[in-house]
Amino acid sequence: AQKITQTQPGMFVQEKEAVTLDCTYDTSDQSYGLFWYKQPSSGEMIFLIYQGSYDEQNATEGRYSLNFQKARKSANLVISASQLGDSAMYFCAMREGVTGGYQKVTFGTGTKLQVIP
Amino acid sequence: DGGITQSPKYLFRKEGQNVTLSCEQNLNHDAMYWYRQDPGQGLRLIYYSQIVNDFQKGDIAEGYSVSREKKESFPLTVTSAQKNPTAFYLCASSKAVELAGSQETQYFGPGTRLLVL
Repeated sequence: AQKITQTQPGMFVQEKEAVTLDCTYDTSDQSYGLFWYKQPSSGEMIFLIYQGSYDEQNATEGRYSLNFQKARKSANLVISASQLGDSAMYFCAMREGVTGGYQKVTFGTGTKLQVIP
Repeated sequence: DGGITQSPKYLFRKEGQNVTLSCEQNLNHDAMYWYRQDPGQGLRLIYYSQIVNDFQKGDIAEGYSVSREKKESFPLTVTSAQKNPTAFYLCASSKAVELAGSQETQYFGPGTRLLVL
């Protein structure tokens, strides 16, 4: 089974509208972390937001929020008030195990978001 | 400014040639990672290193080699044994973490795009 599943290869959103990017995950660990990264056409991975498995509140960072539904194993990214600069690839990632300080992180296949003026 | 640098931005490899990708960080991070990204795909782990003079194979290590002689540097060599090296290579670093639920994230460099002539 895929550890991280992003079912939307591509999404369009009108400028100033909100958009939700889906992410489901699979793990049997109790302690894990969920991340979202943005990858613009330049290629660099930019950290957006983090949610810990024990966090009861949904994470928020500016216009980004993470809709965390633990029982459903979903961690959807919500971008409010979309801007043209939000056009990029978005990756969901999960950290499951930590061995001697090493972060074992699995990435999804990404969703390409295009913001329309 | 602290960060991760990768060079070169573009690299061309001839058949049978070994090439080395540079990765340097000044974040004082203990752990460093190399990922490969193919078009339309997520990131796959090649190698990681938790401390100087120690490194471990990731999910797709065949045809690659690394060294970690200094804390700041983690070069990746793509050997002639790697038959399909064309990809985007990302280097990352992170603080050592003790728990998978830790908020510490990986920081990424700008990437190197490797093409085969």
